[in-house]
Amino acid sequence: DIQMTQSPSSLSASVGDRVTITCRASQSISSYLNWYQQKPGKAPKLLIYAASSLQSGVPSRFSGSGSGTDFTLTISSLQPEDFATYYCQQSYSTLGLTFGGGTKVQIK
Amino acid sequence: EVQLVESGGGLVQPGGSLRLSCAASGFTFYSYAMSWVRQAPGKGLEWVSAISGGGGSTYYADSVQGRFTISRDNSKNTLYLQMNSLRAEDTAVYYCAKVADIVVVVTATYFDYWGQGTLVTVSS
Repeated sequence: DIQMTQSPSSLSASVGDRVTITCRASQSISSYLNWYQQKPGKAPKLLIYAASSLQSGVPSRFSGSGSGTDFTLTISSLQPEDFATYYCQQSYSTLGLTFGGGTKVQIK
Repeated sequence: EVQLVESGGGLVQPGGSLRLSCAASGFTFYSYAMSWVRQAPGKGLEWVSAISGGGGSTYYADSVQGRFTISRDNSKNTLYLQMNSLRAEDTAVYYCAKVADIVVVVTATYFDYWGQGTLVTVSS
């Protein structure tokens, strides 16, 4: 199975900060990497697919980059509504999908 | 508007069975693969199972292989998850999720719509 490791597991930031979350795959997954945002008690929401493509309706302050094993999600200027938990997900393996452990973004 | 509505969750004893349903609307259901994803209380997301649009191809996580069965009724626009031999570690909110692209089932997939989830609690 392909393991996905996110870092950090949590972070504290202020409104307006630039935030970067990292996701590392245990083997190369090309660009088959997606990012989701989840707020408490809600279903996940797709932000970025195929490593760097912005899902329709998602603010442009969200961006994704990377390929192979190392990926990043960047929020260019953190907004109050961005405090949430973020998950990466690989879809390279034909054996199944795996998610990272999550990164909780909290208010500083 | 795409809608996914799960039902069927509840409290079940270890070793018991439960069938979850996911009623879909707002898109051509038979054209898209679907998946179940679960989230244990206070934990992260875990993919459980996937099924192709026509229902002929199914995939499972190792943790549920042999115990869970995914299926779909395209005439009813409904996705199912039959869960047998349930264990305490199967306790979670179960989400159904729609694959964004036609044709793909697992590889190169991402989920553009999710249901609100249904809670399954396995406890004596």
